[in-house]
Amino acid sequence: LAKTTQPISMDSYEGQEVNITCSHNNIATNDYITWYQQFPSQGPRFIIQGYKTKVTNEVASLFIPADRKSSTLSLPRVSLSDTAVYYCLVGDAWGGYNKLIFGAGTRLAVHP
Amino acid sequence: DVKVTQSSRYLVKRTGEKVFLECVQDMDHENMFWYRQDPGLGLRLIYFSYDVKMKEKGDIPEGYSVSREKKERFSLILESASTNQTSMYLCASSLMKVQETQYFGPGTRLLVL
Repeated sequence: LAKTTQPISMDSYEGQEVNITCSHNNIATNDYITWYQQFPSQGPRFIIQGYKTKVTNEVASLFIPADRKSSTLSLPRVSLSDTAVYYCLVGDAWGGYNKLIFGAGTRLAVHP
Repeated sequence: DVKVTQSSRYLVKRTGEKVFLECVQDMDHENMFWYRQDPGLGLRLIYFSYDVKMKEKGDIPEGYSVSREKKERFSLILESASTNQTSMYLCASSLMKVQETQYFGPGTRLLVL
C-alpha cells in the first residue's frame, strides 16, 4: 500500500510560486499520482494527475522524478483564493479502491 | 460538468436514531463512494460501489451500511447513530477507468447528540 507523506501546513504570499512535495516511497508500477484541492465546507476537487515526468494544466504543474518516490505540485503565482488543503493520492483504480488513500493533506495559507 | 449532490448540508440527530444520507450523481458514473472526514485524519473511505446493487467495504465500514438500487443514487445508512459518528460525510463518483478522477459532493455535516 503506497502511503503518502506531505507537510502538514505551508504559508505563502500572493504572487509567489508554491511547491508542495509528497513522498510515496512504496509506489507501485501501476500507481498514478493525483492531487486534489479542498476549500472549507466543500468536497475535494481534482487538480492534476500524472504517472511520470512532468504534467501541466491550466491550474498547476506536477513534477515526478524518474524513481517516482516523490512528486511535487507546483502552483504558479498563488492568490488568496488558493488557500485550501491539498491532498496527494497514489493508487491504481484496478488495484482496488481501498488503495486510494487520502492522507491529512497540506494546509496552504496564502497571505496578502 | 459533473454534478454530485447530497441531500442535506447539515443534519442533527440523536443517539440511536437511524440516519439516511443520500447522494445523487448526474453523469452516469459506475463508481460511487462514501467518505467521512475528521480533523487531522483526512478522508477515510467507508464504502464504495462499482455497480447497481454492488458494494465493497472501505477502511471503516463498522456502524454503516449502504444501498445502491439505481445507478445514480448511493445511500449511506447509520443503523443506530452514535456520537462518534459525528463527522463530515462526503460522497463521490467516478467513471470505471484506470485513471479515475473522483468528483465530490459538497458534504453533509452530521452532528449526533
